[in-house]
Amino acid sequence: DIVMTQSPDSLAVSLGERATINCKSSQSVLYNSNNKNYLAWYQQKPGQPPKLLIYWASTRESGVPDRFSGSGSGTDFTLTISSLQAEDVAIYYCHQYYTTPYSFGPGTKLEI
Amino acid sequence: QVQLVQSGAEVKKPGASVKVSCKASGYTFTSNDFNWVRQAPGQGLEWMGWVSSDNGNTKFSQRFQVRVTMTTDTSTNTAYMELRSLRSDDTAIYYCVRDGPGYCDATGCYTSPYFNHWGQGTLVIVSS
Repeated sequence: DIVMTQSPDSLAVSLGERATINCKSSQSVLYNSNNKNYLAWYQQKPGQPPKLLIYWASTRESGVPDRFSGSGSGTDFTLTISSLQAEDVAIYYCHQYYTTPYSFGPGTKLEI
Repeated sequence: QVQLVQSGAEVKKPGASVKVSCKASGYTFTSNDFNWVRQAPGQGLEWMGWVSSDNGNTKFSQRFQVRVTMTTDTSTNTAYMELRSLRSDDTAIYYCVRDGPGYCDATGCYTSPYFNHWGQGTLVIVSS
């Protein structure tokens, strides 16, 4: 099974500053046939279901502000929020969908 | 627009079963598969399994293999998840989740099993 880890567990960033969350998979999630990384990022606010932000490691979901970006390949990935807004306070999860059982990172709590 | 509307909260006793429904609208039901993900109170996300909306094929996490059934009903555009032999640690919010759109490129055709649409969640409480 692929184990996902995230760092840090929690993060406090000033408004307007950059936030960076890291995610690591225990094995590569890069599929050679289509050269895509099977890695997604979700944002979850209290009392709400998670919301897809990024898929294929770096493709922003429709409607997601462009201050959110994803990068990385293979086993190491990063979610960056370029200029933190108050509404970005949430827990962020990475998710590998390369192989079942699909798995999520433990989450990173982002605060102001 | 795509909507996944789940059934309401349930309170069950240990050993009982629960069946959660997820009614889909706003797209062609058989175009995308469903996954079920759960979240215990204050905890992270846990994938339970996948069901094809087209042919009913399933794949489960080993943790739930013997206790879970996932089905779809194409006549009502509804997905179902039944969990049996409930324990107190099954207390959680259960989400139905739809896969992203498949795609084709020069190298072939692929599924996109990221989770781009989520139901609102169904709280299941297991307590004696």
